[in-house]
Amino acid sequence: SAVISQKPSRDICQRGTSLTIQCQVDSQVTMMFWYRQQPGQSLTLIATANQGSEATYESGFVIDKFPISRPNLTFSTLTVSNMSPEDSSIYLCSVDENYGYTFGSGTRLTVV
Amino acid sequence: DQQVKQNSPSLSVQEGRISILNCDYTNSMFDYFLWYKKYPAEGPTFLISISSIKDKNEDGRFTVFLNKSAKHLSLHIVPSQPGDSAVYFCAALHSTSGTYKYIFGTGTRLKVLA
Repeated sequence: SAVISQKPSRDICQRGTSLTIQCQVDSQVTMMFWYRQQPGQSLTLIATANQGSEATYESGFVIDKFPISRPNLTFSTLTVSNMSPEDSSIYLCSVDENYGYTFGSGTRLTVV
Repeated sequence: DQQVKQNSPSLSVQEGRISILNCDYTNSMFDYFLWYKKYPAEGPTFLISISSIKDKNEDGRFTVFLNKSAKHLSLHIVPSQPGDSAVYFCAALHSTSGTYKYIFGTGTRLKVLA
């Protein structure tokens, strides 16, 4: 299965600032997926990132708040913009394998 | 609207006994289901899956059962080991208009007591 390197693993950020999360995959993949897990909640899909096109966002998530880049088939970034304490979550990138998703190790974000 | 539900947030089991984790779903169009295991500070890792054409899939100590009429699946771990202590998520594949995504439950924290 694919190996995904995600960083940072955790960060504590001031409200109003932005954080960019990076995911590097060890193989070329068409689609990458960004998920959020708020405390006590399920994993919720934020957006799907295709190389060479704009990301597709799920209901409740907008590009201005969560801009995504996908410059090539092995890399993607998610930025959490103008952060508030409600953005405190675990953010995960993932890729689709034949049987399901493989996830990165996650970024635990705390906004103070 | 939570389409995939794990109603037990936590479960404790003695080592060597059976662990049964449950998951319910609401959409009868879901046709593929997975279980993931998540340790602290790690991403979820794939455990086992089942297609709706089956009612059981087994992989070593892990067996997933699917009851389509009840819209219910369960994960059985036997015998349970302390290393199985983790959060377990069930997920269902949702396909619509040529796109797809996985919808996850809220997870069940399993603690296997030595």
